[in-house]
Amino acid sequence: DGGITQSPKYLFRKEGQNVTLSCEQNLNHDAMYWYRQDPGQGLRLIYYSQIVNDFQKGDIAEGYSVSREKKESFPLTVTSAQKNPTAFYLCASSMRKQGRSNEKLFFGSGTQLSVL
Amino acid sequence: DAKTTQPNSMESNEEEPVHLPCNHSTISGTDYIHWYRQLPSQGPEYVIHGLTSNVNNRMASLAIAEDRKSSTLILHRATLRDAAVYYCILRDVGAAGNKLTFGGGTRVLVKP
Repeated sequence: DGGITQSPKYLFRKEGQNVTLSCEQNLNHDAMYWYRQDPGQGLRLIYYSQIVNDFQKGDIAEGYSVSREKKESFPLTVTSAQKNPTAFYLCASSMRKQGRSNEKLFFGSGTQLSVL
Repeated sequence: DAKTTQPNSMESNEEEPVHLPCNHSTISGTDYIHWYRQLPSQGPEYVIHGLTSNVNNRMASLAIAEDRKSSTLILHRATLRDAAVYYCILRDVGAAGNKLTFGGGTRVLVKP
């Protein structure tokens, strides 16, 4: 079935450790996104990518890094510089048509990251 | 970025309609209005979107004000499975491409 797969579902990070969250899609979408969600809050955009080998910072990029070496994959690394990483992380993808704003997002099921 | 304003929460009885308002007074002429909903511990799912005209699909209806500064998502007959957080979002088509910014959403409680 087509869709977005995030792994792992739960992840624990030790102090000073970098961790990487996986996001894979087989929808042939050009654009991919990472959002962070804190309890009882809405989603905040971390990074997004419109095309392979290109990505832009969202609203809360500090302490995070991404890569987009393949169309299907958009991994997110939570670095040790992110002092409050505990949150629910959501990956999404969409078609990309320049100048069009009606393309809907498809979301993965999320990764819950906690600090030990 | 154009922003949206939604009530924090709403309650409804099962089998009754639910009207979810959204204000977006700074919407630009090319911004589409999108609605997503998020069930507990899941990623958001697409509900509906529109530009100027009212829209209907199997999940809901979207009523857009003539000046486009507000819209209303209508769930015609609420069920317990409709209990979720509903987000009203404007697409931001900037020079770098599409970006979707979420606000706090409206938490819908459906009472049996």
